[in-house]
Amino acid sequence: GESVGLHLPTLSVQEGDNSIINCAYSNSASDYFIWYKQESGKGPQFIIDIRSNMDKRQGQRVTVLLNKTVKHLSLQIAATQPGDSAVYFCAETLNTGFQKLVFGTGTRLLVSP
Amino acid sequence: DTAVSQTPKYLVTQMGNDKSIKCEQNLGHDTMYWYKQDSKKFLKIMFSYNNKELIINETVPNRFSPKSPDKAHLNLHINSLELGDSAVYFCASSQEGQLAGSNYGYTFGSGTRLTVV
Repeated sequence: GESVGLHLPTLSVQEGDNSIINCAYSNSASDYFIWYKQESGKGPQFIIDIRSNMDKRQGQRVTVLLNKTVKHLSLQIAATQPGDSAVYFCAETLNTGFQKLVFGTGTRLLVSP
Repeated sequence: DTAVSQTPKYLVTQMGNDKSIKCEQNLGHDTMYWYKQDSKKFLKIMFSYNNKELIINETVPNRFSPKSPDKAHLNLHINSLELGDSAVYFCASSQEGQLAGSNYGYTFGSGTRLTVV
């Protein structure tokens, strides 16, 4: 399943499917990007990051893609599990000085067994 | 041992009251933040302190006054609470020069849900 994360949309997938969550960022000068997962009643938790000199980075079951030309980020989750159900946010920042994170709108991921 | 802890977790209060939310971090970070998350889940920075000095103030009303007694604490005091202040407030901390995504690089508390009635 795939979503465009501009107005807190919901992406519903079946367990085992691959999920793609998209994000449009705002500042072309941003040089560092992070994906966060927020479960109900908790604060955002770091998933994966990428610097602007890269276009792809892989973690465990997650991959982040960066397209600076169109200011677009995506988070791919392989073999989605019910425990992946949460709200996902992208955040951008200038990797210099004090790190003010600018968050995207977020996407709710619902994984059904 | 919680890295960034906020108290209280829930706060229900009447319009016009003054309230405070406390935040403490035990990560040894030198920078702390307050973020506000509204009912649509939108997260926005409010303030940032580095070594007790205010470095970011994002056009937040004067009714909001952060106070940092030391670099491990950043409290948020809100005067004359309004209905629109209802939100979840998150404290966070980071270390200058350290990537936000590094281990314990940028850590959020679990939030304080403020409800103004």
